[in-house]
This record gives sequence, C-alpha cells and structure tokens, in this order.
Amino acid sequence: KAGVTQTPRYLIKTRGQQVTLSCSPISGHRSVSWYQQTPGQGLQFLFEYFSETQRNKGNFPGRFSGRQFSNSRSEMNVSTLELGDSALYLCASSSETGGRGYTFGSGTRLTVV
Amino acid sequence: GNSVTQMEGPVTLSEEAFLTINCTYTATGYPSLFWYVQYPGEGLQLLLKATKADDKGSNKGFEATYRKETTSFHLEKGSVQVSDSAVYFCALDSGYSTLTFGKGTMLLVSP
Repeated sequence: KAGVTQTPRYLIKTRGQQVTLSCSPISGHRSVSWYQQTPGQGLQFLFEYFSETQRNKGNFPGRFSGRQFSNSRSEMNVSTLELGDSALYLCASSSETGGRGYTFGSGTRLTVV
Repeated sequence: GNSVTQMEGPVTLSEEAFLTINCTYTATGYPSLFWYVQYPGEGLQLLLKATKADDKGSNKGFEATYRKETTSFHLEKGSVQVSDSAVYFCALDSGYSTLTFGKGTMLLVSP
C-alpha cells in the first residue's frame, strides 16, 4: 500500500514568487491536512480538506490556500512568498476523523531566498 | 484552546537506559492522543496512540497511558537503542480533524 506522496521534495523560490505543493494521500483516504514545520514555531496546522471541502483552517494569512480534487489529491499554494515562509510543509491523510491517526508524507522543504 | 506541553530536550541517554518523555495537554472534551517520531530529513511517523482514558498505546517497546485525571500521556521505553535517536512529538486531536502538537523533544542515545 503506497504511503502519502508529496512533491516536490525540495524547492527554492525567490521572495514575491508563488509556489504550489502537491500531496497524494493513501488510496481510500478522503481527509488531507497540511502542516507547516519551522524551528521557531514548531508544527502548525494550515488547513484540512475532506471530499473536496475545506473543513478547518489554521491561523495563517490568506496567501496560503489549498484545494482538494475529486481523487482526494490536494494542493496548497502560497502566493507572494516571504522569507518567513521557508519551512518543511507536511501533508497528512486519514480515512476518517483522525481518531485512528494520520499518516504523514515526507514533506516538501521550501526555501525562500 | 487546545495545547500540548512536552519536556524540552535534548534528552541524552546511554544505550539500554530507561526513557521517559513527559507530555501534558489541555483540551475540551475527550481528545485522542498520539506520539509521533521524526527522523532527520523525514516526515512524521505515528508511534502510538490512545483514544480514551486509561488506554495504553504501545509499539516497538514504547508505551504511553492516557491519564485523564492528570491530563498526561507520558512516553516510556524500558531500554533505548541508538536507533531510537530522533525527535518525538506528543499530539492531540480533539475531533475536529486537526492535530495540535507539542514542541518536540530530541532524544540522543549514545552507544
């Protein structure tokens, strides 16, 4: 059974640019959530999608957005990149409301220069 | 709001020593509790979980018991190995499909 796949693994972008990250969940999982990990702030929740609908959103500016497709694959987009957006972005999938745990991908390391 | 507090690291141990990493939480209702582990350059791996009070989660020699009276979920292992060196995260899910994480505790095990 394939795990959660995130692409690309590494990205380097310039301030002001935008970026799109992709996440393919485990087959059959309909919930996909995104987290930002930084040394200073730790792991912070960005948003969660279930059956193409955003159910929850964390406390991030509107530059951070996401979507989910009918096959449960999800993308997140960050516009007008800032240096502080440099982070590891992790995607997690679950078959239901998280009580059975979430499976994480290996993440996308974004560096903004 | 929800919050998770775990002991700051790094925790430095010799191989075969006993490990405890403390974790306490604040949450409304009856959250599910998790321990995740992160190895360098990788994502998070679910180590163990507990979904109700007095449940004990266990995996690979690690254990944690859901203590509602003390709002704690401490991680323990009787004999650590060098390969256990990683960062450990305590987390809760209060039922709204989001995880709230602690800051993480780095464990360093020397031979």
